[in-house]
Amino acid sequence: EVQLVQSGGGLVQPGGSLRLSCAASGFIFSSYEMNWVRQVPGKGLEWVSYISISGSTTYYADSVKGRFTMSRDNAKNSVYLQMNSLRAEDTAVYYCARDAYCTTTSCSLRGFDPWGQGTLVTVSS
Amino acid sequence: SYELTQSPSVSVSPGQTARITCSGDALPKQYTHWYQQKPGQAPVVVIYKNNERPSGIPERFSGSTSGTTVTLTISGVQAEDEADYYCQSVDSSGTYRVFGGGTKLTVL
Repeated sequence: EVQLVQSGGGLVQPGGSLRLSCAASGFIFSSYEMNWVRQVPGKGLEWVSYISISGSTTYYADSVKGRFTMSRDNAKNSVYLQMNSLRAEDTAVYYCARDAYCTTTSCSLRGFDPWGQGTLVTVSS
Repeated sequence: SYELTQSPSVSVSPGQTARITCSGDALPKQYTHWYQQKPGQAPVVVIYKNNERPSGIPERFSGSTSGTTVTLTISGVQAEDEADYYCQSVDSSGTYRVFGGGTKLTVL
């Protein structure tokens, strides 16, 4: 079964740090691009970050650039989101999501599928 | 920053057709994907690459494009289709992923 299982999250004070993890199973993890997406409860989806299959390329939303770092460990079939200098407005449910399947020559798009179960990050004193 | 625009809400009666639109300047050049999200659940892709339907998604879900607007059509809406729907694409450079604001589909 293709699956993404998230861990981490919780309550953190403003200015603090937190690391989210996302463990993949059921597919060749090293061939897929990955993303993090967040959602303030009751609000819409916001894309947060992207990482290429090798991990050499990352992109970030302006709202988190310079504070969040996305990484991956293909040997552990896992992707991570290191969140520093957290603010109240970072409070949200965070999802990891699988993106395109890539070979050495091209990538095949199928949307973000699947998604992790989501983990709540609350930034509050 | 690049934005995708969706109408906030759509209401239809069971059996009718629901059309949810998403507008963005780069949509003629970039693929759009559609997601369904029910309360307390992670989103699920219902249409990818403008008009492709994943396995397991009912045939009543379809997608189309016209210029800078893409449309998700749900034919013969059922009560179980009541959910929030989001379009997702990338900017003109293909770098930044972006979601529309979401459309709440209400089945009357």
